[in-house]
Amino acid sequence: EVQLVEFGGGLVQPGGSLRLSCAASGFTFSNYWMNWVRQAPGKGLEWVAHINQGGSEKYYVDSVKGRFTISRDNAENSLYLHMNSLRAEDTAVYYCAGSWGSHVFDPWGQGRIVTVSS
Amino acid sequence: QSALTQPPSASGSPGQSVAISCTGTTSDVGGYNSVSWYQQYPGKAPKLIIYEVSKRPSGVPDRFSGSKSGNTASLTVSGLRAEDEANYYCCSYAGTNNWVFGGGTKLTVL
Repeated sequence: EVQLVEFGGGLVQPGGSLRLSCAASGFTFSNYWMNWVRQAPGKGLEWVAHINQGGSEKYYVDSVKGRFTISRDNAENSLYLHMNSLRAEDTAVYYCAGSWGSHVFDPWGQGRIVTVSS
Repeated sequence: QSALTQPPSASGSPGQSVAISCTGTTSDVGGYNSVSWYQQYPGKAPKLIIYEVSKRPSGVPDRFSGSKSGNTASLTVSGLRAEDEANYYCCSYAGTNNWVFGGGTKLTVL
């Protein structure tokens, strides 16, 4: 069964840091581009970050550039998102999602909540 | 990187067809055949239902179809069923390794 499971998240104060992890199984992780997509409470989806199969190419939405870092460990079938200088507007459910090509997001993890509040 | 424009809501009776629009610009929807659509139930993860404007992944009913004209893409759900009631999001590649989603449309089956 194809599966992505996120770990981490929780409550953090403004200016703080947090790391999200995503464990992949049921497919060849190293063949997929990987992404983080977030959804603020009651809002729509927003693409956050994208990493190529080998981890050498990384891209970010403007609002997180310089604060968030996407990385992966293909030996461990894992994806990560390191988030620094967190702001209230970063509060959201964060999903990891694969890309098998054609600019699609598939499959998706179940999501982890990140709340930035004092 | 402005969000694509979708109507906040759409509705139809069982058996009817409903179309949901997704309007962008020549920099995203109009510039690439890389529009995808996602179905999301409350509290659940999104699910891919259409990619490359009009292609369906394996397992997605053919009641779901996609199209594009100019800067506007559309998702049509035919033969509406109660289980189609969900939120639907469009997404387009926007060049230079950026992707943009629509604001979402809540589909209600009357």
